[in-house]
Amino acid sequence: QSVLTQPPSVSAAPGQKVTISCSGSSSNIGDNFVSWYQQLPGTAPKLLIYDNNQRPSGIPDRFSGSKSGTSATLGITGLQTGDEADYYCGTWTSGLSSFVFGTGTKVTVL
Amino acid sequence: QVQLVQSGAEVKKPGASVKVSCKASGYSFIGNYIHWVRQAPGQGLEWVGWINPKSGNTKYGKKFQDRVTMTRDTSINTVYMELNRLTSDDTGVYYCARAPTAAYDSWGQGSLVTVSS
Repeated sequence: QSVLTQPPSVSAAPGQKVTISCSGSSSNIGDNFVSWYQQLPGTAPKLLIYDNNQRPSGIPDRFSGSKSGTSATLGITGLQTGDEADYYCGTWTSGLSSFVFGTGTKVTVL
Repeated sequence: QVQLVQSGAEVKKPGASVKVSCKASGYSFIGNYIHWVRQAPGQGLEWVGWINPKSGNTKYGKKFQDRVTMTRDTSINTVYMELNRLTSDDTGVYYCARAPTAAYDSWGQGSLVTVSS
């Protein structure tokens, strides 16, 4: 049972914007960097955002991340059909005792 | 380029053990921790633990710590995850992932483990 809460699903039309929230606590998000992962159907997760708001090389700037207090947010602008996937946030718990993932959010492009 | 290649699918009976491998290439094997993550069918991601390929030190999630063992063979740039006393709840895809920072930048393709009598 995950300690990071995400909405089960979000949707928008092509070209629009969606945001995905990730709610935690002072013992996880509040004290550590947050990362975000995209999982296309039948494939391994892929890193989208690390250290709260950094994009790895090759990730378009349509994807953005932010963190405030014990919550984090992933934004996707210019939504494309290829963005239909499950998205997970993740972070360490205090003292780096374990890594936790969010509950996951399914993005649907209408 | 960084690559993590995992072993193939396994079918095991309840109570048995499974050992999954993850072969790294394209970077310094001893330079980055390798983590294991599990995904049950239709479910989310669950952290299993990590191994430091340089020292062999490990840390396991509380849920797994009495049943999992992670090892490495530096001569062939490979890490292993062995899970014992399998139950049907252990059915899922097991991923290895590289963690150069506080995030996983490269993932293996996943190894499906099916536990069924």
